[in-house]
Amino acid sequence: ETGVTQTPRHLVMGMTNKKSLKCEQHLGHNAMYWYKQSAKKPLELMFVYSLEERVENNSVPSRFSPECPNSSHLFLHLHTLQPEDSALYLCASSQGTGGGTYNSPLHFGNGTRLTVT
Amino acid sequence: EDQVTQSPEALRLQEGESSSLNCSYTVSGLRGLFWYRQDPGKGPEFLFTLYSAGEEKEKERLKATLTKKESFLHITAPKPEDSATYLCAASSNDYKLSFGAGTTVTVRA
Repeated sequence: ETGVTQTPRHLVMGMTNKKSLKCEQHLGHNAMYWYKQSAKKPLELMFVYSLEERVENNSVPSRFSPECPNSSHLFLHLHTLQPEDSALYLCASSQGTGGGTYNSPLHFGNGTRLTVT
Repeated sequence: EDQVTQSPEALRLQEGESSSLNCSYTVSGLRGLFWYRQDPGKGPEFLFTLYSAGEEKEKERLKATLTKKESFLHITAPKPEDSATYLCAASSNDYKLSFGAGTTVTVRA
């Protein structure tokens, strides 16, 4: 496989469930990201990992919990979500570390469409 | 606060009808301006990076240009397969990357 792979592609969960989103990159990149995409709104950065260390946590509610066990894998653990959390969750990777992380093109997966009922 | 604004929100074109998309940015020191293409049900796909005013880059029917306040994505003689949402993003000297909300382009045959 090449590029950035996200699973599952679709997820429906109740507000009391616990689920996890998975992302894997096969590009040898140093940085990985979680973004939230809602209709007609700009992409919202949630978390950034550079060399497996979390470098940014963009005021995201604690019901979202990221995990980066190595430079190729990224998870987003979900629990006690709200209906307004329904969105497309995109994983991305890029080259560069530190400040260079924000100046390299992002390579995105195809996202997980999350619906919270 | 860094801000990126794209216009128009939606653009409907006839095949062969050239047009331009606008991306206005206000950031604390531009380090790079990125353009992405997003097809329905897919993640954004990287198109171009521009670093300084006056720079231009081309790929097939697309040409991106950059000034000190905005970037344009010109679509020349578009085809239906150019239909997509085009996103721009600006990275700043304080290590932020800000996205616009996108322009959805529909090209009719």
